[in-house]
Amino acid sequence: AQSVTQPDIHITVSEGASLELRCNYSYGATPYLFWYVQSPGQGLQLLLKYFSGDTLVQGIKGFEAEFKRSQSSFNLRKPSVHWSDAAEYFCAVGADRYDYKLSFGAGTTVTVRA
Amino acid sequence: DAGVIQSPRHEVTEMGQEVTLRCKPISGHDYLFWYRQTMMRGLELLIYFNNNVPIDDSGMPEDRFSAKMPNASFSTLKIQPSEPRDSAVYFCASSFRPGPEAFFGQGTRLTVV
Repeated sequence: AQSVTQPDIHITVSEGASLELRCNYSYGATPYLFWYVQSPGQGLQLLLKYFSGDTLVQGIKGFEAEFKRSQSSFNLRKPSVHWSDAAEYFCAVGADRYDYKLSFGAGTTVTVRA
Repeated sequence: DAGVIQSPRHEVTEMGQEVTLRCKPISGHDYLFWYRQTMMRGLELLIYFNNNVPIDDSGMPEDRFSAKMPNASFSTLKIQPSEPRDSAVYFCASSFRPGPEAFFGQGTRLTVV
């Protein structure tokens, strides 16, 4: 069975500072990994995805994530956060690129202070 | 396009009452998904439709839950009778292909008292 762990429940970061959100997955085969963002009162929006190839993937809103197979990790980063990045972030793993039954992590809430 | 539209945004009902949640997917999207989000269980897929036909309803928790998609532009999720443990945010999402790239609605926050 696949599972995802997001070790940080809540992170506070200053506007303009860098952000890194951790994600560890457990999956026996090649994982298909995703990061979503959920802004307050909104549904989930896909930020980026990793299927294969280059282990550093670029997404929307200036986010990137790095897949490290040896560490079973898929951490999300942004070099300089904006106040609008305050949201909840979810990491998810699937069995293939069309897997609709993803396993989601519990989420990390990001607070941005001025 | 206005995106996926869900109604109502908030619903408060008494235990035992019937609750109907509504969803209008993005035009042209053949796949529609219903999710439930709670603090305890996170985000769970309840059911998904392809071309108005339910394909996988294994996530529907109990017979009290039912979902329909009478046409390509409308779907409902019904809970009858509702219970306090059904309190959650229910999301509808649609996409033009199966997989994780669905567009989500803003959700319906259901509170059963």
